[in-house]
Amino acid sequence: DVKVTQSSRYLVKRTGEKVFLECVQDMDHENMFWYRQDPGLGLRLIYFSYDVKMKEKGDIPEGYSVSREKKERFSLILESASTNQTSMYLCASSFPLAGGPYNEQFFGPGTRLTVL
Amino acid sequence: AQTVTQSQPEMSVQEAETVTLSCTYDTSENNYYLFWYKQPPSRQMILVIRQEAYKQQNATENRFSVNFQKAAKSFSLKISDSQLGDTAMYFCAFMKHVGYGQNFVFGPGTRLSVLP
Repeated sequence: DVKVTQSSRYLVKRTGEKVFLECVQDMDHENMFWYRQDPGLGLRLIYFSYDVKMKEKGDIPEGYSVSREKKERFSLILESASTNQTSMYLCASSFPLAGGPYNEQFFGPGTRLTVL
Repeated sequence: AQTVTQSQPEMSVQEAETVTLSCTYDTSENNYYLFWYKQPPSRQMILVIRQEAYKQQNATENRFSVNFQKAAKSFSLKISDSQLGDTAMYFCAFMKHVGYGQNFVFGPGTRLSVLP
């Protein structure tokens, strides 16, 4: 089974702190994604990466950065946390083979971040 | 840009009954994939069912089936013989391959409650 893990289930930080959220997948997937999930808005893409050291901005990249130094690990960084970044953060990975049967995303358990 | 709409923010169904969740999407693409994901309370998001747009036959997975109407851009999920464990948020998602990566777009979700 594909396993996607996230470093924390719950996190409380203060405004202005630098926050690191880490995601690890064990299925050698090329693609990795970071989303934030807010009620009524569904999942919104922050960043994704299709290879080591490669990254692409999603729909809401402002205030976030990412790092992918190893294929299995994708980190989301909040350079200076703000209260409007309080949210649930979901990591996902996928195998990008076009036409393949396993191209759906596999999700981590999520990190609920509260910024005070 | 693609958009995904789920017009039912909340639904409820009696145990053992059948319920249909609606999803519409907007795209000019011809080749794409559609997914339904389930997110149980405080638990990980998992795939329920997938549909390739080039396949006319509706996908089925045990008690879960879809009604895929490509011309109408509609992708509804039918849950038969509802069980208490089906209580969850359900997200409809659209995906197309883009360059090296994949573009996933999620709807806002439908919260389904199965009542005993």
